[in-house]
Amino acid sequence: KAGVTQTPRYLIKTRGQQVTLSCSPISGHRSVSWYQQTPGQGLQFLFEYFSETQRNKGNFPGRFSGRQFSNSRSEMNVSTLELGDSALYLCASSWDRVSGEQFFGPGTRLTVL
Amino acid sequence: GQQLNQSPQSMFIQEGEDVSMNCTSSSIFNTWLWYKQDPGEGPVLLIALYKAGELTSNGRLTAQFGITRKDSFLNISASIPSDVGIYFCAGQGNSGNTPLVFGKGTRLSVIA
Repeated sequence: KAGVTQTPRYLIKTRGQQVTLSCSPISGHRSVSWYQQTPGQGLQFLFEYFSETQRNKGNFPGRFSGRQFSNSRSEMNVSTLELGDSALYLCASSWDRVSGEQFFGPGTRLTVL
Repeated sequence: GQQLNQSPQSMFIQEGEDVSMNCTSSSIFNTWLWYKQDPGEGPVLLIALYKAGELTSNGRLTAQFGITRKDSFLNISASIPSDVGIYFCAGQGNSGNTPLVFGKGTRLSVIA
């Protein structure tokens, strides 16, 4: 069974631009969560989607948004990029919302110049 | 919000030694998970714990769900060079509707 895939793996943007990251969950998994990982803050929860609905949201500004499609694939978007948005963005999928077991993709390394 | 305190922050050990790390929480969790992350990759799930007092092994790894439901520990026996990486604990609260909370990680270095 294929794991969680994320595209692109690396991205370089400049301040003020916007970016869209993509995540394909493990086949059959319906819940997708997004995290931002930085050396100083560790893994910070962004949001979770289940059945195309956002179920939970972390403490991030409205510039961070996401969506989930009917095939469970998910995208996250960051508008008006700031230098501090440079991070590894991780997507994790799970079978449903009850099980805590989440399986992570390799991440997208975003660098904002 | 919920906080997880993971310790130690980093460890340097000799190959063959046993390793122990732990996580404590200010609130009760129903699920404890342990992940390992290699450089440039996403975290990989090592062990999942669902019951207070539960002791679970995965090869040389053993993890326990604390009786108080506010802590968990991970032991690695007879460490080898490929154990190098960052180990994260994660907990989920009472409801399946709450997101996972992650510790800041323990960076493990193994000296051959």
